[in-house]
Amino acid sequence: NAGVTQTPKFRILKIGQSMTLQCAQDMNHNYMYWYRQDPGMGLKLIYYSVGAGITDKGEVPNGYNVSRSTTEDFPLRLELAAPSQTSVYFCASSTKGLAGKFTSTDTQYFGPGTRLTVL
Amino acid sequence: DAKTTQPPSMDCAEGRAANLPCNHSTISGNEYVYWYRQIHSQGPQYIIHGLKNNETNEMASLIITEDRKSSTLILPHATLRDTAVYYCIVRVYGSSNTGKLIFGQGTTLQVKP
Repeated sequence: NAGVTQTPKFRILKIGQSMTLQCAQDMNHNYMYWYRQDPGMGLKLIYYSVGAGITDKGEVPNGYNVSRSTTEDFPLRLELAAPSQTSVYFCASSTKGLAGKFTSTDTQYFGPGTRLTVL
Repeated sequence: DAKTTQPPSMDCAEGRAANLPCNHSTISGNEYVYWYRQIHSQGPQYIIHGLKNNETNEMASLIITEDRKSSTLILPHATLRDTAVYYCIVRVYGSSNTGKLIFGQGTTLQVKP
């Protein structure tokens, strides 16, 4: 298994440009997440998905959009890039336990990250 | 989810045990304590979790106080590769919520030769 993969690894955007950060997992996980991490800070949740066709906002969703058409893929779209979106972006996935409830053994698996700079 | 408090940084000599504390005084009965770590520029990595009993796996041990208001992650023989930011997170068990993790700023552990 490749686990969670993210592309690209690095990207520089100009203000106002758009781009899509790709995330894929091959572990058949229901749940997927997008986090951002600013320098010296912990991760903050942007969006998450509990299954194909279902997405919801996290702590810091403004300026981003997501879609989940398949179990494997969860792309994150930036429509009008701003300098405040300069950050490292991490995608993660996890399983769902019985009856839709998380069990104590659920852990999140993270991708290697995408480093984005907006100038 | 309960909030956690960790020291911002710690040093440890290579080969010695690293003991990383975490306070979670508002933890409730159905919240687990999870530990993740993030080695420079990489995605976070799961280490261990527990409810009220002490836990051990191949990476670390987790000691939770009897009142569950604090815990300690122990890396028994720290190596230079254990230099990382360590996050203590509490999370509701059995909830039908999203399972999302709330990250604080963590403890930066520097293992020195």
